[in-house]
Amino acid sequence: DSGVTQTPKHLITATGQRVTLRCSPRSGDLSVYWYQQSLDQGLQFLIQYYNGEERAKGNILERFSAQQFPDLHSELNLSSLELGDSALYFCASSGNGSSYNEQFFGPGTRLTVL
Amino acid sequence: KNQVEQSPQSLIILEGKNCTLQCNYTVSPFSNLRWYKQDTGRGPVSLTIMTFSENTKSNGRYTATLDADTKQSSLHITASQLSDSASYICVVSPRSSASKIIFGSGTRLSIRP
Repeated sequence: DSGVTQTPKHLITATGQRVTLRCSPRSGDLSVYWYQQSLDQGLQFLIQYYNGEERAKGNILERFSAQQFPDLHSELNLSSLELGDSALYFCASSGNGSSYNEQFFGPGTRLTVL
Repeated sequence: KNQVEQSPQSLIILEGKNCTLQCNYTVSPFSNLRWYKQDTGRGPVSLTIMTFSENTKSNGRYTATLDADTKQSSLHITASQLSDSASYICVVSPRSSASKIIFGSGTRLSIRP
């Protein structure tokens, strides 16, 4: 158990809909990262937050957005969903926001868009 | 363009045998290189992390090596066990942008009894 929690575990929705994925980092970790992993694909970095502020952006679509709240939990919002958005979405956390720190991954949320 | 390439894409070996997975990267300069193990449908778990000045790092039956001159890393697994069946991912962090780490596509390892 990495100490990172993600909810929900599974999510099934329809095209055009909007969903919110939630992540709670390890106790004490200030940085949260979001990743997308499509079937049989590698992990794609989406976005990073550090202590409530956006720190880095990767290949995140404009239909996607994220935020980190004062209690350090983070939410990833996916809107106007398309079939191709079906994937595993992982959240990871680390201590001080630098990738020098090991990232601890949550169990993921499996999103299925029908 | 910063890239991380892993080989082989997939590998099947018998339980008890050793194997070596390869990672070639073009990220330069880089800060650190990590190997992760990812069980199917689960989050990746860190196995080793090496800075650019380190040559080798061990974690039980897992030993990672790094050659910064040739920009190659390898992960050696000794006395493989059925539980080693997983994807192994090489991850490199550029020194210029510590947050934009680059993931390899992974090697899928299957251990057969």
